[in-house]
Amino acid sequence: DVKVTQSSRYLVKRTGEKVFLECVQDMDHENMFWYRQDPGLGLRLIYFSYDVKMKEKGDIPEGYSVSREKKERFSLILESASTNQTSMYLCASSSPSEYNEQFFGPGTRLTVL
Amino acid sequence: GQQLNQSPQSMFIQEGEDVSMNCTSSSIFNTWLWYKQEPGEGPVLLIALYKAGELTSNGRLTAQFGITRKDSFLNISASIPSDVGIYFCAGQLHQFYFGTGTSLTVIP
Repeated sequence: DVKVTQSSRYLVKRTGEKVFLECVQDMDHENMFWYRQDPGLGLRLIYFSYDVKMKEKGDIPEGYSVSREKKERFSLILESASTNQTSMYLCASSSPSEYNEQFFGPGTRLTVL
Repeated sequence: GQQLNQSPQSMFIQEGEDVSMNCTSSSIFNTWLWYKQEPGEGPVLLIALYKAGELTSNGRLTAQFGITRKDSFLNISASIPSDVGIYFCAGQLHQFYFGTGTSLTVIP
């Protein structure tokens, strides 16, 4: 079974803090994605990566950065957290041959106070 | 980004009833996907559609890729309590775009 794990299920941070959200997949997938999920807005793509050290902006990259130093790990970074970044963050991975099937992690619910 | 309009936003149905939800877009997609998300979990892929007009089933679930490539629907027949969750459509062109979700409640 494909496993995508995220470092925390719940996280509470203060405005201005630097926040790291970690995602690890165990299926040797090349593609990895970060989304945020908000009520009434569905899932919106923040960043994605097709290979190690490679990253591309999604629809809402402002206020976020990412890091992909190893194939299995894709990190989302909030340089200076703000209250409007309170959300559910979902990581996903897929392989190029089955690109359309994205496997999602359980999500991290981040609250910024 | 692309906007996918998913309806209805929520549904409350009796166990045994059929369910229908749909997704429309102003853009053409190459692929349509349907996901289900249960509380506290990430979305799980239910059905993937790759060709306009394609009709695909997965157990009690049936989904179709619209002829115009701008819409898709998902039907669930004879609903059961474990069908509860949020159902998302997603369209893929170069990246994935997700609908706003349909929250399904099944009353035993």
